[in-house]
Amino acid sequence: EDQVTQSPEALRLQEGESSSLNCSYTVSGLRGLFWYRQDPGKGPEFLFTLYSAGEEKEKERLKATLTKKESFLHITAPKPEDSATYLCASNFGNEKLTFGTGTRLTIIP
Amino acid sequence: GAVVSQHPSWVICKSGTSVKIECRSLDFQATTMFWYRQFPKQSLMLMATSNEGSKATYEQGVEKDKFLINHASLTLSTLTVTSAHPEDSSFYICSAPTLAGGPHEQFFGPGTRLTVL
Repeated sequence: EDQVTQSPEALRLQEGESSSLNCSYTVSGLRGLFWYRQDPGKGPEFLFTLYSAGEEKEKERLKATLTKKESFLHITAPKPEDSATYLCASNFGNEKLTFGTGTRLTIIP
Repeated sequence: GAVVSQHPSWVICKSGTSVKIECRSLDFQATTMFWYRQFPKQSLMLMATSNEGSKATYEQGVEKDKFLINHASLTLSTLTVTSAHPEDSSFYICSAPTLAGGPHEQFFGPGTRLTVL
């Protein structure tokens, strides 16, 4: 069964304190790895798509990377408005996405 | 990014009644849409795949007679929760890929909060 595991479950950082979120997946034919941000009571907001190992994408303070077994979402000098739940999802050849359980990120001013 | 809307944003209904939730792609056409449900502090669980012009495909354990899906056009899918009960109370979210055939990013609606009394 295709699985996506995210860690840590929750992360509290001081404003400006950089860190990384992890997303590991089963290696049975990954076709795409997706990162989303979800604020409470809202639908997920698309951030990045990664297709192959070694690929990197950046947007403001966020950078997503992909290896053959996992993906990282690096957050540099975060601000309180970066507080949210970050979800990763994998695609294994059809249009369905398999979501991880998410990392709840809190940035303390 | 592409825009997906949902209506209503929230709904409260009595046990035994039916509720319809609409999902629209506003600036693109979607031959496929997806319906998820999310319980508090949990991740998204795929319920079904909505296919324009054909029957929906339901995930294992999801009652197709309880959660009726109709994909009437390339921009509209509806989810009807029939004979709703308190355990159906949840956050329902739809999504659609802008390109068919996967793997492509999906864009999500803002969600519908359903409370069944």
